Amino acid sequence: KNEVEQSPQNLTAQEGEFITINCSYSVGISALHWLQQHPGGGIVSLFMLSSGKKKHGRLIATINIQEKHSSLHITASHPRDSAVYICAVLRDTGNQFYFGTGTSLTVIP
Amino acid sequence: GAGVSQSPRYKVAKRGQDVALRCDPISGHVSLFWYQQALGQGPEFLTYFQNEAQLDKSGLPSDRFFAERPEGSVSTLKIQRTQQEDSAVYLCASKLRWLSTDTQYFGPGTRLTVL
Repeated sequence: KNEVEQSPQNLTAQEGEFITINCSYSVGISALHWLQQHPGGGIVSLFMLSSGKKKHGRLIATINIQEKHSSLHITASHPRDSAVYICAVLRDTGNQFYFGTGTSLTVIP
Repeated sequence: GAGVSQSPRYKVAKRGQDVALRCDPISGHVSLFWYQQALGQGPEFLTYFQNEAQLDKSGLPSDRFFAERPEGSVSTLKIQRTQQEDSAVYLCASKLRWLSTDTQYFGPGTRLTVL
């Protein structure tokens, strides 16, 4: 059983489209992270959320603690946004992260 | 450099060989994590250090896997008698303290291929 589920697994969009990636989790958490992983492995932390909403440039992340759900939105998508986006939750019982399997995003010019 | 570094970036091993993967966390970071990422999967937790203390090694898949951080900075993940199923990207991450609000910074990973 996966503690963290992401959808969709794969997503192809035209440049300029609005993109939403969803994450649901089944455990108690102290924080949720959205991570970006480019081909070649490097992982960059985009957001850390424990409530509400955060915005950084064209990226918006929201979390609903009651529903155990988070979304990552990309406005005006661009080919350079092409990457794998991973949702990760930090358990409220310790320092363990649980990761989703990632959403592979391809933005076509 | 200011980030987490890992070496080697790529490692090819014959089945049965021992390998050692190195992680240099950001200077001063107390917490260090190792993750294993199989192809097409999200990372999975292996082990966690706070300074030199290994506080959680529940994710290590077998006793062939061993991690250490003897001086509370650089960490080494050792895999003995490698098997094909060990092929994966091994990611290291560090964070400043142990608080849940601290950001985890990831290294570029070591891609291990066992033939």
